[in-house]
Amino acid sequence: AQSVAQPEDQVNVAEGNPLTVKCTYSVSGNPYLFWYVQYPNRGLQFLLKYITGDNLVKGSYGFEAEFNKSQTSFHLKKPSALVSDSALYFCAVRDESDSNYQLIWGAGTKLIIKP
Amino acid sequence: DSGVTQTPKHLITATGQRVTLRCSPRSGDLSVYWYQQSLDQGLQFLIQYYNGEERAKGNILERFSAQQFPDLHSELNLSSLELGDSALYFCASSAGWSSEKLFFGSGTQLSVL
Repeated sequence: AQSVAQPEDQVNVAEGNPLTVKCTYSVSGNPYLFWYVQYPNRGLQFLLKYITGDNLVKGSYGFEAEFNKSQTSFHLKKPSALVSDSALYFCAVRDESDSNYQLIWGAGTKLIIKP
Repeated sequence: DSGVTQTPKHLITATGQRVTLRCSPRSGDLSVYWYQQSLDQGLQFLIQYYNGEERAKGNILERFSAQQFPDLHSELNLSSLELGDSALYFCASSAGWSSEKLFFGSGTQLSVL
C-alpha cells in the first residue's frame, strides 16, 4: 500500500538558518513526489515536484527537495529560512503505476521560523 | 490567488441538515477534486471529476455526493450532517486528469452544531 510519513509534527528554526522538513514514502512502483505549503486561512499551494531526472529539485520561494531512492525520502530544504516561511507543509506521493492518479498525503509538518 | 473559487467561505448548520458547497475551477482546468481537512484525519481525498465525468473516488461517505456541470463548476452535497462532518472542505483543480499539480481554493469551513 502507498503511504507517506512526515515524522515531525513541528519544526522550529531560527531565521537565517537552514531548514529541513522530512518526508519518507512507500510505493510499489516509481514515485512521483510533491511538496505543498499551506499558509493560515489559505488553500494549499504547489511548491515543487519530482517525477524523474535530477535528484535535486528546485521549487518556489527558494525551496528545494532531494529525492533519495535508497532511503525512500524526499526532504524539503531551504538554505536560509525566513519568518514568512512559517506555514504548514505537506508531502505527497503518487505511484507511477496507479491508474487512479491520486495523491497520497502526509499529515503535514508545521514549520515555525523564529526571528 | 490560485484562480479556484469556493463559496461559501464559512457555513454553520445543524445536525441532520443538508448543505451544498460550490467550486469554480481555474480557467481552462478540466479536473476538479474535493478534499476534506480535519485535525484528526488530515487531508482526505473525497472525489475527482474530469470534464463532467467522475474520474476517481476516495474516502467519500454515501451521505456525500458531488457533480461537475457543463460549465465545469462543481458542487459537493453533504446530507444528514453529523458533528464529525465539521471540517475544512477544499476544492482543487488541474488541467488534466492526473493530479500532478493541483491548484487549491481557500476552502469552505463547515461547522455542524
